[in-house]
Amino acid sequence: QVQLVESGGGVVQPGRSLRLSCAASGFIFSSYNMHWVRQAPGRGLEWVAIIWYDGRNQYYAESVKGRFTISKDNSKDTVSLQMNGLRADDTAVYYCARDAPSGGMDVWGQGTTVTVSS
Amino acid sequence: QSALTQPASVSGSPGQSITISCTGTSSDVGGYDFVSWYQQHPGKAPKLILYDVYNRPSGVSNRFSGSKSGNTASLHISGLQAEDEADYYCSSYTSSSAVFGGGTKLTVL
Repeated sequence: QVQLVESGGGVVQPGRSLRLSCAASGFIFSSYNMHWVRQAPGRGLEWVAIIWYDGRNQYYAESVKGRFTISKDNSKDTVSLQMNGLRADDTAVYYCARDAPSGGMDVWGQGTTVTVSS
Repeated sequence: QSALTQPASVSGSPGQSITISCTGTSSDVGGYDFVSWYQQHPGKAPKLILYDVYNRPSGVSNRFSGSKSGNTASLHISGLQAEDEADYYCSSYTSSSAVFGGGTKLTVL
């Protein structure tokens, strides 16, 4: 079945780095744009980044631009989020989501939790 | 992009209908018909319930419908059921960005 599974979350000190991964299965991964979306504790959804189906174009929210990098490996059906210079306000559940050609984000992973704390 | 504006909470009794608004600008909601809505139950991932303003993905109840006027999109839920109690988020998107609303907590009384 169509599925996204995130991994790589954990507790990290401010200023350090973390890399999240999202493994896709059940669909032709190379045909889809992919997003990362996060949700701070008790807060709403915040879009983080998108990468196009072929990996050639990436776009970021202003809050993470210059610190986060999204990448896509179509040979391994994975999308990753490299997070550098982490701050306390990056603490959140991070979801990867599939961009539906028809519109919206139609498949979501279960999320992975990132906590930035000293 | 600034977050889209949604009411913090709405409520209704079983069987009633409710509407959740989502207000943006001419640069997002008003400029494109690329508005989607998501339902999120506590501790769960969001679920797409409407895309491109009023289209429902396969399997989503026809009790959910959408509309848009100017810079404001709306989610309508008819025949409220207990299972509809959740947080609802709107989103405006393009191929290079997305922005979400602050979310609306729906309580079924």
